[in-house]
Amino acid sequence: GAVVSQHPSWVICKSGTSVKIECRSLDFQATTMFWYRQFPKQSLMLMATSNEGSKATYEQGVEKDKFLINHASLTLSTLTVTSAHPEDSSFYICSARPLGTPDTQYFGPGTRLTVL
Amino acid sequence: EDKVVQSPLSLVVHEGDTVTLNCSYEVTNFRSLLWYKQEKKAPTFLFMLTSSGIEKKSGRLSSILDKKELFSILNITATQTGDSAVYLCAVCGNNRKLIWGLGTSLAVNP
Repeated sequence: GAVVSQHPSWVICKSGTSVKIECRSLDFQATTMFWYRQFPKQSLMLMATSNEGSKATYEQGVEKDKFLINHASLTLSTLTVTSAHPEDSSFYICSARPLGTPDTQYFGPGTRLTVL
Repeated sequence: EDKVVQSPLSLVVHEGDTVTLNCSYEVTNFRSLLWYKQEKKAPTFLFMLTSSGIEKKSGRLSSILDKKELFSILNITATQTGDSAVYLCAVCGNNRKLIWGLGTSLAVNP
């Protein structure tokens, strides 16, 4: 149980284009999903908290107009990197918190984004 | 400022050895402490600890929390090469966000 999927697992795009990453909880419902970014050999950096049916809460320093988050249902959240630049290249990971388990987060497999 | 500190940062052992990984924390309004294992992809959940002194166990892995001294340990007995990974400790505070340590990179050599 507690499986989270992410799609795509890797993507290469040109500078200036937008990229959408999907995060789905496959066997549970999640009112809250989280989006992280991870640079090589560094720990996870929380970008935003996504609550179903409401606006995402962004961490300090994360541009909400650049990283658009939509949490349309209890099993799906999307992150769109708009007008991507090479410095946006990173490993993006989502996690989902099941209903009734207030602290535990289950992670998707991550999306490797490379912007040329 | 809330912080989670893991030690050691890296560790190299031989198969069959027992290892102990440490996680200390200073977090306002502590709710729980979680351990994750990260190999090449995203972290996989190992344990969540909320109470002191109660050992959580899963196969060769076990963990315990000390809320008085503000730390947790993760033990791995009879290590195998498949245990090689980064082990991450995270603490959940009152705002339900996870505060992450930098991880301990464990390499188990045959």
